[in-house]
Amino acid sequence: GNSVTQMEGPVTLSEEAFLTINCTYTATGYPSLFWYVQYPGEGLQLLLKATKADDKGSNKGFEATYRKETTSFHLEKGSVQVSDSAVYFCALRAANAGGTSYGKLTFGQGTILTVHP
Amino acid sequence: GAVVSQHPSWVICKSGTSVKIECRSLDFQATTMFWYRQFPKQSLMLMATSNEGSKATYEQGVEKDKFLINHASLTLSTLTVTSAHPEDSSFYICSATWRAQNIQYFGAGTRLSVL
Repeated sequence: GNSVTQMEGPVTLSEEAFLTINCTYTATGYPSLFWYVQYPGEGLQLLLKATKADDKGSNKGFEATYRKETTSFHLEKGSVQVSDSAVYFCALRAANAGGTSYGKLTFGQGTILTVHP
Repeated sequence: GAVVSQHPSWVICKSGTSVKIECRSLDFQATTMFWYRQFPKQSLMLMATSNEGSKATYEQGVEKDKFLINHASLTLSTLTVTSAHPEDSSFYICSATWRAQNIQYFGAGTRLSVL
């Protein structure tokens, strides 16, 4: 079956440091890949996505590249801010989602990021 | 972006009682809603997929008689935890999407504590 493995946290960084959160996946075909972010007390929000190999998703200074050869979708940001402190989830959607399970997502375990001033 | 409201955000109940959690899409018609369960420091686990006007599809290992899902309108789905027990204590999260749009929009979650 499909699975997503994320780098274990928590990750603690100083402001303006470089961030990488690793994410690898197992799936058949060409799944779509997502990064979601959950700020304290809020629901998950879509941060960025990529739907095919070599696509780069980007948003708010974050970016991730869909690497089919390494089955990875690592999240990076060049200079983090205190406001980036949150839980980050990597997720995939199977290539042929349909029928009654349309849009089903498989999540990684989440990585807690804390950024200090 | 689209807004999904989940209510209540936190509920405490006695063992044996039933608890209803609501998930509403506030600014779009949600043809499909998903219910997830999240244990501490673990991933979101999909419990069931709910399509408006039809029976929910449950994931393997999820008791459909225990977790009743109703998606009676395009803006509301409910999850009822029947005869709750302490092992049902968890964080429950819903999400919603609409036809021809793949992005799921998530509610803020409901923390259930069963005493």
